[in-house]
Amino acid sequence: EIVLTQSPATLSLSPGERATLSCRASQSVSSYLAWYQQKPGQAPRLLIYDTSNRATGIPARFSGSGSGTDFTLTISSLEPEDFAVYYCQQRSNWPPYSFGQGTKLESK
Amino acid sequence: QVQLVQSGPEVKKPGASVKVSCKASGYSFTRHCISWLRQAPGQGLEWMGWISANNGNSDYAQKFQGRVTMTTDTSTSTAYMELRSLTSDDTAVYYCARGLYNSGSYPLDYWAQGSLVIVSS
Repeated sequence: EIVLTQSPATLSLSPGERATLSCRASQSVSSYLAWYQQKPGQAPRLLIYDTSNRATGIPARFSGSGSGTDFTLTISSLEPEDFAVYYCQQRSNWPPYSFGQGTKLESK
Repeated sequence: QVQLVQSGPEVKKPGASVKVSCKASGYSFTRHCISWLRQAPGQGLEWMGWISANNGNSDYAQKFQGRVTMTTDTSTSTAYMELRSLTSDDTAVYYCARGLYNSGSYPLDYWAQGSLVIVSS
């Protein structure tokens, strides 16, 4: 079973700073790694898929990188609306579509 | 524009069933699959399964097999998720989401607003 571990659990930064969020898989997921943003009381929103492809309408300050087991979501310069919880998701054989436990990005 | 709109909140007693609907608009319904996920209070996302709106093929998470049924009605562009034998552990917000491709739950490019299901005696 592939387990996704996100770190840190909470990240405290200020607007304008750079955010780096990590997602580590217990086995290789190739490049099949997606990132979602969820704000309180809202549904998740797809940001990045296949490691580095931005979804429709996602600003260029969001970028993804990595391969195999180690992946990173980077927000180059935080905007006030970026403070939220971020989840990674993998696609593999088993279990097919699991999520990490989330990283809460909070305003310092 | 693509929209997914779910049915309203439900309160159910233990042992009962719940059926949540998800009405799609703004795209060709049969060209994408619909996935169902849930999120217990204060917790992360849990994948439940997906169904092809084109041919009805589906795949359920092992945890829910035998207890969940996902269906679609192409005449109304609506997907349904029925969960049976509810317990308090099933209290959660249930989401439907569109798969970017025509099979599978990765990635999920549009999400509905969620439906709160409370299971309580």
